[in-house]
Amino acid sequence: ETGVTQTPRHLVMGMTNKKSLKCEQHLGHNAMYWYKQSAKKPLELMFVYSLEERVENNSVPSRFSPECPNSSHLFLHLHTLQPEDSALYLCASSQGIAGKANYGYTFGSGTRLTVV
Amino acid sequence: GNSVTQMEGPVTLSEEAFLTINCTYTATGYPSLFWYVQYPGEGLQLLLKATKADDKGSNKGFEATYRKETTSFHLEKGSVQVSDSAVYFCAVNDYKLSFGAGTTVTVRA
Repeated sequence: ETGVTQTPRHLVMGMTNKKSLKCEQHLGHNAMYWYKQSAKKPLELMFVYSLEERVENNSVPSRFSPECPNSSHLFLHLHTLQPEDSALYLCASSQGIAGKANYGYTFGSGTRLTVV
Repeated sequence: GNSVTQMEGPVTLSEEAFLTINCTYTATGYPSLFWYVQYPGEGLQLLLKATKADDKGSNKGFEATYRKETTSFHLEKGSVQVSDSAVYFCAVNDYKLSFGAGTTVTVRA
């Protein structure tokens, strides 16, 4: 399998649930990202990991907790979410971070999250 | 920091029409520029890129030229198809990848 794979594709959860989103990349990249895509809003960068260390956290509420156990896997742990957290969550990877990622980012297909 | 301004949509066209989506950016240094496409129900896919001034990126009939003097990277396609219906995002990568708001394009048969 190649590219960036996200699971599950769809998730419905209650506000008191705990769930996790998973992202796996098979490209040998060393940086991974979580983005949030809400309807009628620009893409929001949530977290950046480089060589398994978090290098950026864009004021994301603590109910979102990322984990990067190795350079191929990235998780987003969710707990006590709100309905406004319903969105498409996209994972991406790149070789190099920031300005050195001249080949751009490779995105997964996303997890469509609905909080009820 | 970087920012990207792209043409607001939605844009509706007939098949075989000419498509232009304007994109301008602000950035320090010499950024790389990208266009991504998002088909319904999918993540973003890299459509084309340019890494230095006057470079032309091209793919699937789409083209964009890196214009440093006008800080622009406009996307063009000479004859669109129904299958080109998607959301198109301009992005600039200097310190980090910054995306425009996206332009929804609908092509009617």
